[in-house]
Amino acid sequence: DGGITQSPKYLFRKEGQNVTLSCEQNLNHDAMYWYRQDPGQGLRLIYYSQIVNDFQKGDIAEGYSVSREKKESFPLTVTSAQKNPTAFYLCASSWTGVGGYSSYNEQFFGPGTRLTVL
Amino acid sequence: DAKTTQPNSMESNEEEPVHLPCNHSTISGTDYIHWYRQLPSQGPEYVIHGLTSNVNNRMASLAIAEDRKSSTLILHRATLRDAAVYYCILSQDGQNFVFGPGTRLSVLP
Repeated sequence: DGGITQSPKYLFRKEGQNVTLSCEQNLNHDAMYWYRQDPGQGLRLIYYSQIVNDFQKGDIAEGYSVSREKKESFPLTVTSAQKNPTAFYLCASSWTGVGGYSSYNEQFFGPGTRLTVL
Repeated sequence: DAKTTQPNSMESNEEEPVHLPCNHSTISGTDYIHWYRQLPSQGPEYVIHGLTSNVNNRMASLAIAEDRKSSTLILHRATLRDAAVYYCILSQDGQNFVFGPGTRLSVLP
C-alpha cells in the first residue's frame, strides 16, 4: 500500500533534548512538508522541500531543522531552541506540477506524531 | 497572504445536506481553492479543489461564486463519519497552504 508513515505516534522527551521525527513516503512524490498543530488551531507550515537536497523555511521554522537526503524521507528535528515544542506534528507530500509548483496538487498527510516535552 | 474566513462551527442532521461556506475576498486570479478535512487525532485528508468552475467528486461538491470571493463545500448527505474540522485553503505560490482554524462540523443522529 502506498502512503505516508510517521513514527512514533506518541513521543515524550525531557526539556532541552533534541528529538527527530520520522516521515517516510512511498508515493514517489517530489514535495514534502512538515506542519505543526496546536490544540484547537489550524496547521502551520514549518519546512517544505520540493526536491532532494533542497528545502525552504515555512512560517515557523525557528527551533526546527530538516534534511532531505532521499526522495522518500524528510525527517524533522525539534531542537532545544524551540521554546514550546509540545504539539501534534504532521508530515505531508505531494506531486509537483509543471515548473515545480504544487498549487493544484493534493497533499497527502501522515497520521501525525504527538510530541510532549516534559 | 490571501486569507479565508469560515464559521467556527456548524451542525447538521444525519442524511441531510450540509453547506459549508468560505469567504476569500482577497483571492488572486491564480489561487486554487482547496478543501481538506481532519478527523480527531488524524492528519487532514483532501476533499476537493477548484479554480473557477464548480466541481463534483465522490465526496462532495464545490460551488465557487462567479467573482471567486466565496465558495461553498456541499456534502449531499451528511453521515456521522463526516463529523470533522473542514479547512478552506487558498494556494499561494504553489507550496504553502495556509490552514486557518476551519469549521468544526457536528453531525447529529
